[in-house]
Amino acid sequence: GENVEQHPSTLSVQEGDSAVIKCTYSDSASNYFPWYKQELGKRPQLIIDIRSNVGEKKDQRIAVTLNKTAKHFSLHITETQPEDSAVYFCAAKETSYDKVIFGPGTSLSVIP
Amino acid sequence: DTGVSQNPRHKITKRGQNVTFRCDPISEHNRLYWYRQTLGQGPEFLTYFQNEAQLEKSRLLSDRFSAERPKGSFSTLEIQRTEQGDSAMYLCASSLLDRENEKLFFGSGTQLSVL
Repeated sequence: GENVEQHPSTLSVQEGDSAVIKCTYSDSASNYFPWYKQELGKRPQLIIDIRSNVGEKKDQRIAVTLNKTAKHFSLHITETQPEDSAVYFCAAKETSYDKVIFGPGTSLSVIP
Repeated sequence: DTGVSQNPRHKITKRGQNVTFRCDPISEHNRLYWYRQTLGQGPEFLTYFQNEAQLEKSRLLSDRFSAERPKGSFSTLEIQRTEQGDSAMYLCASSLLDRENEKLFFGSGTQLSVL
């Protein structure tokens, strides 16, 4: 089955700097890659997603890139703000069984 | 609030007891997932439904775990003969499948503590 790995597990950046979180997946048939943000004590919420027929997608300060050949995708946050501090989970949709599998998460801290 | 609702929010039980959790998804959503999350980890897939049909149960999941979704609406997750290792946050999520895109809406979870 699908396996999603994520790096780094923790990340600290200064406010205004950029943050990059990288994920790899194992099932070459996976074709949908969402990212979720979970603030402390709250439920995960979708922040951006990308399908396999697209190499990059942007939404204001966040962007996701996908390299299907290498089976990895990344989340980029520019001009980080303290409210970006949270745990970020990447995920992949395993086509064969059609379910969403999550990575272990990256705890991002934005230092004011 | 028309979001995903989970009950109870917290459950404390003694080892060996049975527990049941309930999830009420967003009404028009056809998919419902159960995940388990421990501190510092990502949501671990347990099982999921499309309408009333259970599509898959994690191979790593003990036979003590069972889930139902009668009539394709709410779902229940039962854990029999609980063990301390079952202590975790149990998250429910629902979605409206649109080809490959699948935005999951999560509930607030049920925090289980097994003493």
